[in-house]
Amino acid sequence: AQSVSQHNHHVILSEAASLELGCNYSYGGTVNLFWYVQYPGQHLQLLLKYFSGDPLVKGIKGFEAEFIKSKFSFNLRKPSVQWSDTAEYFCAVNANTGGFKTIFGAGTRLFVKA
Amino acid sequence: SAVISQKPSRDICQRGTSLTIQCQVDSQVTMMFWYRQQPGQSLTLIATANQGSEATYESGFVIDKFPISRPNLTFSTLTVSNMSPEDSSIYLCSVLWQGRSGGGEAFFGQGTRLTVV
Repeated sequence: AQSVSQHNHHVILSEAASLELGCNYSYGGTVNLFWYVQYPGQHLQLLLKYFSGDPLVKGIKGFEAEFIKSKFSFNLRKPSVQWSDTAEYFCAVNANTGGFKTIFGAGTRLFVKA
Repeated sequence: SAVISQKPSRDICQRGTSLTIQCQVDSQVTMMFWYRQQPGQSLTLIATANQGSEATYESGFVIDKFPISRPNLTFSTLTVSNMSPEDSSIYLCSVLWQGRSGGGEAFFGQGTRLTVV
């Protein structure tokens, strides 16, 4: 069965610090990968997605993620975080052969200190 | 992309009662999914509801508790039956949108915030 692991449950950073959130998935087939963000009290929003092609994907708000197939990883990065990035971040995966069910990681709660 | 409308957006219900959540999509879609997000937690898939077939439930979820209807390609309902306080969650409808590249992206409704008292 598909599963998604996010390594960090809580991250605290100061403004301007660099961010990297880890995500690993377990599925051997062709996968589609996503990062979603949920700001406090708000709905889920797509940050970026990977279907195929360039493994370095750029998303909104200065976020990017790198797909490393050999490591089954899709880590999220941002070179310099802002206070407004305080939110919960979810890694998710679906696959053509998995009925396209999108499975979510447990989430990482990021708090950025002003 | 797809625009998804869910009703109600929130409700407070008495234990032992049932609530039906409606999900309307502005386009015809084959694959539809229902998720639950319990307070402070991630999204958990309840079931897949494809038009023309019975809903397929994930481990830990059963049809008697969460009956689903999918009468056509733009509409689905999820019923939360015989509710208890443990059912207090946000329930989300999702559809899969497949682009030209072949990848599939999930779009989500705004969710139904359910509180059971």
